[in-house]
Amino acid sequence: EVQLVETGGGLVQPGNSLKLSCATSGFTFSTAWMNWIRQTPGKRLEWLAQIEDKSNNYFISYLESVKGRFTISRDDSKSSVYLQMNNLKEEDTAIYYCTSFITTPLDYWGQGVMVTVSS
Amino acid sequence: QITLTQQAESLWVSPGEKVSITCRASQSLLYTDGKHYLFWYQQRPGQTTKALIYHASIRTDGVPTRFIGSGSGTEFTLSIEDVQPEDIALYYCLQTLRKPWTFGGGTKLELK
Repeated sequence: EVQLVETGGGLVQPGNSLKLSCATSGFTFSTAWMNWIRQTPGKRLEWLAQIEDKSNNYFISYLESVKGRFTISRDDSKSSVYLQMNNLKEEDTAIYYCTSFITTPLDYWGQGVMVTVSS
Repeated sequence: QITLTQQAESLWVSPGEKVSITCRASQSLLYTDGKHYLFWYQQRPGQTTKALIYHASIRTDGVPTRFIGSGSGTEFTLSIEDVQPEDIALYYCLQTLRKPWTFGGGTKLELK
């Protein structure tokens, strides 16, 4: 059974940083492309970042509005993907989901982790 | 970037009825490989988001046959025949033809 479990969310002040982790199991992580998606309080979904697999040189792409502030990374030895978020803004408040691309885009999702940016 | 518009924010339906959710793209989602890069997802309260349809019309393994994806070019539809109570959820379309990947605004299916 495929499982993705996000951790690391919480309440943070504007300008501060947070690192999300996503531990996975039930599939061959090393060949999967991994993504982070967020859902705003208004329920809008937004694709944030993707990291491809080793055969694609771990190619990374970002949504323009988070480029330079957010960094996606992965550790194939731990079957985990991460999202480092710096200089957080109130508009980054959302539920953050870790998602896989094993055979089709976003084929599996985690349960999500809440990030609240507020002073 | 490619914009996806789901016109209906909410749709009300009775069990057993058929309902259609539409998704319109700002440009064609047909790639040179002949596939449309349009996907559908279901979000039910308390459950993880589920992939329903890929490449516009192919059901993901285990998805009931009452879920039918159709459309081409810029106009796509997710139809649910014989709606069941467990189909009450938020439904989103997604395009992956061009980065950034973008979602429609979502359509909430509610019981009459």
